Amino acid sequence: NAGVTQTPKFQVLKTGQSMTLQCAQDMNHEYMSWYRQDPGMGLRLIHYSVGAGITDQGEVPNGYNVSRSTTEDFPLRLLSAAPSQTSVYFCASRGPQGSTGELFFGEGSRLTVL
Amino acid sequence: TQLLEQSPQFLSIQEGENLTVYCNSSSVFSSLQWYRQEPGEGPVLLVTVVTGGEVKKLKRLTFQFGDARKDSSLHITAAQPGDTGLYLCAGAKAGNNRKLIWGLGTSLAVNP
Repeated sequence: NAGVTQTPKFQVLKTGQSMTLQCAQDMNHEYMSWYRQDPGMGLRLIHYSVGAGITDQGEVPNGYNVSRSTTEDFPLRLLSAAPSQTSVYFCASRGPQGSTGELFFGEGSRLTVL
Repeated sequence: TQLLEQSPQFLSIQEGENLTVYCNSSSVFSSLQWYRQEPGEGPVLLVTVVTGGEVKKLKRLTFQFGDARKDSSLHITAAQPGDTGLYLCAGAKAGNNRKLIWGLGTSLAVNP
């Protein structure tokens, strides 16, 4: 079982460059989300989606765009990278159990912006 | 504002010792989850508690949800090096199951 797959695992960008972090899940989960994890700040929700065509902002959405054209995929786009976006990014999905359902996380994408 | 306070932040103990970590809030949660995260990996769910006063056991790990559903604890008996990791609690508030509230975590190191 692949679960939640994130690519790339590591990426170095220069300030102002753009890139897309890919996330795919094979569990037919409606809910998908992106988090960033920073020392002393914990996990912070960037954007989430409750189904294809539906996205919403989380706690720290500025500088990030998302779209959900299929149930399986939920890419995160950085249009103009900034050093403050240096972080570890996690994609997570959840099944139909609502708030008590298990969040399945990917292995993370470590991004450095110079 | 951090709605879920975890303590301690860091804990380093010897193999075989017992420990308790806490997850506290002034807010009421409809459910609370505990995750463990190992270096270079994403968090993995350990348990979900939904009823005030609920106690769940997972081998040497005992989880308790407070009677008022504002706090939770994780007790590990006879810790082993394999228990090393970051323990995270996450709460869901009633009527808003799309955004979990996360604690900052307790980093546990169990030394052989």
